[in-house]
Amino acid sequence: QSVLTQPRSVSGSPGQSVTISCTGTRSDIGTYNYVSWYQQIPGKVPRLIIHDVNKRPSGVPDRFSGSKSLNTASLTISGLQAEDEADYYCCSYAGRYSVLFGGGTKLTVL
Amino acid sequence: QVQVVESGGGVVQPGRSLRLSCAASGFTFSKCAMHWVRQAPGKELEWVAVIWYDGSNEYYVDSVKGRFTISRDNSRNTLYLQMNSLTVDDTAMYYCASQNSGSIQFDYWGQGTLVTVSS
Repeated sequence: QSVLTQPRSVSGSPGQSVTISCTGTRSDIGTYNYVSWYQQIPGKVPRLIIHDVNKRPSGVPDRFSGSKSLNTASLTISGLQAEDEADYYCCSYAGRYSVLFGGGTKLTVL
Repeated sequence: QVQVVESGGGVVQPGRSLRLSCAASGFTFSKCAMHWVRQAPGKELEWVAVIWYDGSNEYYVDSVKGRFTISRDNSRNTLYLQMNSLTVDDTAMYYCASQNSGSIQFDYWGQGTLVTVSS
């Protein structure tokens, strides 16, 4: 069982916005701003899309944004496109050098 | 152009050992912490281990402590993972990933190498 809890699936139509939540505890997301998000298209390698809660690496569209409130991080994808269909994983540092991933969320673009 | 290439995976019997390698290029390997992350078939990502840029520190997920050893050779821009006493639960795609900043994140990933533990 993953320590960071994500919804198993979300969906949206092209052009809409979706938000994926990632719930941890006071010991991980609640304490550290080392929250990152990864996009994994089936059969492909994970790709970093958000780091440090809300920062985008170069080349990642500004349709992707991140935030955090207390023990929950969120990834919002606005202006959904068919190419956004993928699995999304959150990740957080949890102290004493431990890194946790979420269980992953499958995004379906209707 | 960044390249991260893992090798060394394969089919191995429970209790046996395997050594994975990861060759990196296109970034300053010797200045980056390096990680191994694995993904069992159809499952989520799981962080496995990290080694500091200079090899001075290494940390592991509890399930592999005492069995796996991460190491690096900065002269060869290569990362390793020595895996001993393998169990079926270690079956996964193993990814090498770089941490190219002071933040804890996985910037560049290899294509992965598949480890299958089966009798």
